[in-house]
Amino acid sequence: GESVGLHLPTLSVQEGDNSIINCAYSNSASDYFIWYKQESGKGPQFIIDIRSNMDKRQGQRVTVLLNKTVKHLSLQIAATQPGDSAVYFCAETYAGNMLTFGGGTRLMVKP
Amino acid sequence: DSGVTQTPKHLITATGQRVTLRCSPRSGDLSVYWYQQSLDQGLQFLIQYYNGEERAKGNILERFSAQQFPDLHSELNLSSLELGDSALYFCASSVNRGSATDTQYFGPGTRLTVL
Repeated sequence: GESVGLHLPTLSVQEGDNSIINCAYSNSASDYFIWYKQESGKGPQFIIDIRSNMDKRQGQRVTVLLNKTVKHLSLQIAATQPGDSAVYFCAETYAGNMLTFGGGTRLMVKP
Repeated sequence: DSGVTQTPKHLITATGQRVTLRCSPRSGDLSVYWYQQSLDQGLQFLIQYYNGEERAKGNILERFSAQQFPDLHSELNLSSLELGDSALYFCASSVNRGSATDTQYFGPGTRLTVL
């Protein structure tokens, strides 16, 4: 498949460990945030979202944390599996305007 | 599978040429978005159409244009192509106009290579 962002920061974790992927966003007025997962050769896939009036939201094996004070977003993946290997992007938006994507982090899961 | 389809999957062309990329949104979705993903720029929003009308514009060059047809499929036209236009082009769709909680679902992309 195609490689996206050959110069992306990379997080390497052992299978079964928890992963934490971080994102610093730019607009303090952003009110909605999304995490996307992009596997090689595929388009970004929605994982989880959070509104600015929340600081934590949980999904299945994933948790998103939002710290508006320092404009920081994180994605926690519990019990990381080989299928979680991908590039992860955070995206922010304000008042329903266009999404602004972060640069992405490559997650590599070692068996 | 997101339900968004894009054709072609790969496109190789020469500088100065013009190409058309096609996108069919998920059934029922009224908004279509186009993004460009290159190695050095990441995912960049280009343009959004809602129910046939242009709704938002991002970093889209004047050489690029798009439209959404009555059946809601969309085409992105890239003309006077340059080497730097080589990238992945993604289409996404959403149900509504693109409100704060209107999830965008992405297609598999078209890989454009300009030689």
